[in-house]
Amino acid sequence: NAGVTQTPKFRILKIGQSMTLQCTQDMNHNYMYWYRQDPGMGLKLIYYSVGAGITDKGEVPNGYNVSRSTTEDFPLRLELAAPSQTSVYFCASSARWAEKLFFGSGTQLSVL
Amino acid sequence: DAKTTQPPSMDCAEGRAANLPCNHSTISGNEYVYWYRQIHSQGPQYIIHGLKNNETNEMASLIITEDRKSSTLILPHATLRDTAVYYCIVRVLSQGGSEKLVFGKGTKLTVNP
Repeated sequence: NAGVTQTPKFRILKIGQSMTLQCTQDMNHNYMYWYRQDPGMGLKLIYYSVGAGITDKGEVPNGYNVSRSTTEDFPLRLELAAPSQTSVYFCASSARWAEKLFFGSGTQLSVL
Repeated sequence: DAKTTQPPSMDCAEGRAANLPCNHSTISGNEYVYWYRQIHSQGPQYIIHGLKNNETNEMASLIITEDRKSSTLILPHATLRDTAVYYCIVRVLSQGGSEKLVFGKGTKLTVNP
């Protein structure tokens, strides 16, 4: 049982490039989340999903897009990378909204 | 904005109990208190949660005051591996995902040998 898997673990982008951060979970959880964490700070919610086909904005959605075509996968898309998007990105899932979140190991992204 | 207030850092001797406080003075009646921790740069790990009764599991104990305006996470016998940032979070138990989850800066706990 792998839990929540994120790829890649590290990535360097040039300004204006695009990329997709992958997230998949094998626990059949309805709820999935994307967070970012800047150095020395707490986590900020970017987007979340309450089930396949349903997504909504979190606290800091600008510059990102998401989709949820299956229960398992919740990719995060950066269309025009900016230095302000340099951060560590965590994906998480939970069985119900208020139940404990399971986090992936994170993707460290640098935009130069 | 975080609904909780935690000290930025604490120290604890190995083998002793670590007591991490959290203030949540604006908590509502249906809001749960959750605790997570983040070891180094790994993803956060769930520890425990509660509504108004004290809770205990294999990792920790959670003590919530009677007025629910504050709580304390207790690690009964801290080890070096408990060195981490501990987050106290207030969440609303609701369907549909209308509540936004907020992680503050947490408390950096250092367990010393």
